[in-house]
Amino acid sequence: GAGVSQSPSNKVTEKGKDVELRCDPISGHTALYWYRQSLGQGLEFLIYFQGNSAPDKSGLPSDRFSAERTGGSVSTLTIQRTQQEDSAVYLCASSLGSRGGPQETQYFGPGTRLLVL
Amino acid sequence: KNEVEQSPQNLTAQEGEFITINCSYSVGISALHWLQQHPGGGIVSLFMLSSGKKKHGRLIATINIQEKHSSLHITASHPRDSAVYICAVTGEYGNKLVFGAGTILRVKS
Repeated sequence: GAGVSQSPSNKVTEKGKDVELRCDPISGHTALYWYRQSLGQGLEFLIYFQGNSAPDKSGLPSDRFSAERTGGSVSTLTIQRTQQEDSAVYLCASSLGSRGGPQETQYFGPGTRLLVL
Repeated sequence: KNEVEQSPQNLTAQEGEFITINCSYSVGISALHWLQQHPGGGIVSLFMLSSGKKKHGRLIATINIQEKHSSLHITASHPRDSAVYICAVTGEYGNKLVFGAGTILRVKS
C-alpha cells in the first residue's frame, strides 16, 4: 500500500511569510508525528497526534508553530512569520497507534525541505 | 549530555568488512530503534527492539537493557550500505522518538 506522503517536497519562502506543510499518513495509522531535521542539529521531535488530539506538543519550538489533524488522517503543520532558523527538512511519521505507541515501528515520509530566505 | 549517544560519528570501511555502530542512552526506554537514511533519501526503520537481539539479512541489532547499550552490526558490508545510521529511543511514558546524532557510514569497494 501507499506509504506516508508529504507535500510540498520543497518550499522556498521569504522571511515573515506563513507556510503550511501537509502529511498524509498510512491509511489506518492513528498515531502521527512531526519531526524536524536541521543542518548540524540532527533530528528533533515536534508534535505527536493520537487520532485528532495532540497529547504531546512539547517539541514545538515557539508559538509560531502549530499543527492540526482532521478526520484522524491528514495533518498540517503551520509555521507563521517564518524565520531563517526555521529552514530544515520537516518529516512526518505514522504508526498504527493501536497499542499506545511506544513499541511501534514508525514509518517516515520523504520530508518537506523548507528554505526561508 | 545528550540522552542518546552514538559512536563513531563517521566510519569508513572496506567492502566485506564487519561493521559495528554503538548506541548508549541515559533514560528509561520502552523501545530502541535503528534507522537508516541514504543521502537525499527518506528514513527507513531497520529495527525496533526492547530486549535481546534481532537479525534481518546482513544486519543484526542487539540491546543490553541493564547497560543501556545497543549495537548495530553489518556483516559482509557493501557499498550500498553507505548511509547514515541513526539510533533513537522511545521513553517509558511517551511515544516520541529521541534521536542520536547519527553515524555516517561509507563502504568503499
